[in-house]
Order: sequence, then C-alpha cells, then structure tokens
Amino acid sequence: QKEVEQNSGPLSVPEGAIASLNCTYSDRGSQSFFWYRQYSGKSPELIMFIYSNGDKEDGRFTAQLNKASQYVSLLIRDSQPSDSATYLCAVAELTGTASKLTFGTGTRLQVTL
Amino acid sequence: DADVTQTPRNRITKTGKRIMLECSQTKGHDRMYWYRQDPGLGLRLIYYSFDVKDINKGEISDGYSVSRQAQAKFSLSLESAIPNQTALYFCATSAGYSGNTIYFGEGSWLTVV
Repeated sequence: QKEVEQNSGPLSVPEGAIASLNCTYSDRGSQSFFWYRQYSGKSPELIMFIYSNGDKEDGRFTAQLNKASQYVSLLIRDSQPSDSATYLCAVAELTGTASKLTFGTGTRLQVTL
Repeated sequence: DADVTQTPRNRITKTGKRIMLECSQTKGHDRMYWYRQDPGLGLRLIYYSFDVKDINKGEISDGYSVSRQAQAKFSLSLESAIPNQTALYFCATSAGYSGNTIYFGEGSWLTVV
C-alpha cells in the first residue's frame, strides 16, 4: 500500500521566519509531487507541484525533491499569519499528472505574531 | 459560482438511510474523483472516473457507489449509511493525463447518527 508520511504538527514558527514542512513517500515509482494548503473547513488548494529532483521556487515557496531518499519538502520564507493552515503532501504515479493522488495526513502550521 | 459544486453542503442522516452526494463541474475536465477526509487520516480516494464510461474503485470504496451521469456530473451514494461514514466528502476534477492539479469542490459535511 502506498504511503505518504507527514508530521502532524503543529509546527509553530514566528512571523517572518522560514517554515520547513517535510514529507516522505513509500512508492519508489512515484513521479509527481504536490503541496496543497487547506484552511480549516475549506477545500485544499494547490500551492506547488514538482516532478524533477532539486528545488523549484515560486514566490515565497520552495519545493524540494529527492527521489533517491523518497523525500519532498516545502519551505515557506517570510512566514505570515495567513500561512497558518494545514499543508498536505500528495504524490502520483505518473509524471505530469495529478490523477489519483495519494495524500499525506497533513502538517498543521501555526505562524505566531 | 464555484467551478466544482457539491450538494448538499451539509447533511445529517440516520443509520441505514440511503443518501446521495452530487457533484457538478463547469471546468470541462474529463476526470472526476470522490475523496473522503477524516481527522488524522487525511484525504482518501473513494472512487474515480476518467471519462463517462469509466468507473474505478479507490482505496476505500466499500459501502459506497458512484454514477457518472455526464462528463460534468459525478454522484456518490451511500446505500445504507453507517456512523463511521461520518466525514467531510470532497468531489474533485482534473484535466486529463496532463492535468497538473486537482480542483476540489467546497466539500460536503455528512453526519450519520
């Protein structure tokens, strides 16, 4: 059974700091990796996706992928209180598609003033 | 209006009753999904459909059935609801093989008493 593991948190960081969220996955055949943000009681929304080893940056967000270690992370620079949410890691078997995602349980991030 | 619409948004039903959750989308996507979210268990895939004639079980399909009435409509049924089916249900869509994100509906809170 495919598994995606995340620390449930809460991860507490002060405003302006870097938040580091981590995710490991069990299926070595996974090819596509996604980070979703979910506010309490709301639907998940995509932050970033990454398909290749290395870093991918988008504004304050950086996704990092290491397929050899089966590890994907999300860095949030200059954390803001509005970043307080649960962050879901998700993986898919096929490259370049979000079809049939397997989700982790999420890490709750709290950004304190 | 939301691109992925779920009805009802909230429902309380009794054990043993049949209930249907409906989903419609205006995104023109061919792939549709039903996920269930429980605290501590993350999002789990119930059923998915890659086109109107295609229905596939996800990881937790027992106790559920689906119908893809049209490209834009995908309904989830609980034939005989039980309390452990109390959860937040999300319908989602993605754009074919190359769709790099899943778009979620706003969710349907279902309570089985």
